[in-house]
Amino acid sequence: DVKVTQSSRYLVKRTGEKVFLECVQDMDHENMFWYRQDPGLGLRLIYFSYDVKMKEKGDIPEGYSVSREKKERFSLILESASTNQTSMYLCASSSLGLAGGHSTYEQYFGPGTRLTVT
Amino acid sequence: LAKTTQPISMDSYEGQEVNITCSHNNIATNDYITWYQQFPSQGPRFIIQGYKTKVTNEVASLFIPADRKSSTLSLPRVSLSDTAVYYCLVGDMGTGANNLFFGTGTRLTVIP
Repeated sequence: DVKVTQSSRYLVKRTGEKVFLECVQDMDHENMFWYRQDPGLGLRLIYFSYDVKMKEKGDIPEGYSVSREKKERFSLILESASTNQTSMYLCASSSLGLAGGHSTYEQYFGPGTRLTVT
Repeated sequence: LAKTTQPISMDSYEGQEVNITCSHNNIATNDYITWYQQFPSQGPRFIIQGYKTKVTNEVASLFIPADRKSSTLSLPRVSLSDTAVYYCLVGDMGTGANNLFFGTGTRLTVIP
């Protein structure tokens, strides 16, 4: 089974702190994702990486950065945490499959990190 | 861009068939439609994926009409353990992750 692990289930940080959220996958997947999930807003993509050292901004990248130095690890960084970044953060990974010439994917999610910024 | 719209919530009695519809009027030619299930305090879990017509697996069926502007997830004979939030995702990884859109999800409550 694919396993995606996140470094913490719950995290409490103070405003202005630098925060690192770590995600590790064990299936040699090319793609990794960071989402945040807020009530009424569903899942929103923060950043995406399709290879080591490669990244793309998602819908809401402001206030976040990412790092992917190894294929299995994708880190989300809050340079200076703010209260509006209090949220559930979900990491996912996927391979890139092809069917009939189109790209397909199945994302495997970690359990999430509930971050509270006070 | 293929935005998605789903009902916010649905209730169903145990043993009934449940159909959840997702609208995606601007779906692109290369986009696939994927449904995920999420239980409280867990990450979403893949249920089913399709491109057109009908797809069936051991847990659900996915119906996609010819114009592909909507899709319907069908759960046969639901049980209490099917109570969860169901997300519709439309997109194509080949054109970048910015083309991936999760809906806000449908909260399904199964009643005894």
